[in-house]
Amino acid sequence: GENVEQHPSTLSVQEGDSAVIKCTYSDSASNYFPWYKQELGKRPQLIIDIRSNVGEKKDQRIAVTLNKTAKHFSLHITETQPEDSAVYFCAASIGSGGYNKLIFGAGTRLAVHP
Amino acid sequence: DAEITQSPRHKITETGRQVTLACHQTWNHNNMFWYRQDLGHGLRLIHYSYGVQDTNKGEVSDGYSVSRSNTEDLPLTLESAASSQTSVYFCASSDGADTQYFGPGTRLTVL
Repeated sequence: GENVEQHPSTLSVQEGDSAVIKCTYSDSASNYFPWYKQELGKRPQLIIDIRSNVGEKKDQRIAVTLNKTAKHFSLHITETQPEDSAVYFCAASIGSGGYNKLIFGAGTRLAVHP
Repeated sequence: DAEITQSPRHKITETGRQVTLACHQTWNHNNMFWYRQDLGHGLRLIHYSYGVQDTNKGEVSDGYSVSRSNTEDLPLTLESAASSQTSVYFCASSDGADTQYFGPGTRLTVL
């Protein structure tokens, strides 16, 4: 069945360093790839997303890249800050025409140390 | 403001009892989803609905059911709660453009 693999499962960086989280997906028909950030005890919140007609998207310190041929996409966080510490989830969409669902990766716990 | 809410936020129940978790959204979204979140497994899809009277099974649907009688609500029922169903449950909704918005979650403990 459809699957999304996410690596690494944990990531520890020093404040100011960059962090990269990678995901691969199995369904070549997937065309939407969101990233969610979940702080402890809170709900997952969308931080950035990308569609298959775009190779890269940036929003301030975060960026997402997509390689459809290789079926993988990555989240890049630059100049990390302690408030970036959270669990990050990638996802890939399944379906079309408004009848869509998301398959999530297992998550990456990012710790940013001052 | 439009929002998505879940109730209760915390629930403790006993094995074998029927439990219903509520999810209510005021965005008028057609699509609604239920996930469970356990350490090491991320968010796993339990059931979902693309509109009134439509329900579909996700990857971990055994022991759970949903019904969709209106656009705003998708209650999740555990027919006979089991300890393996202790988890955090999230409801989400989307307007069909893929982006899903999550509720605050319900922490369920089955003793």
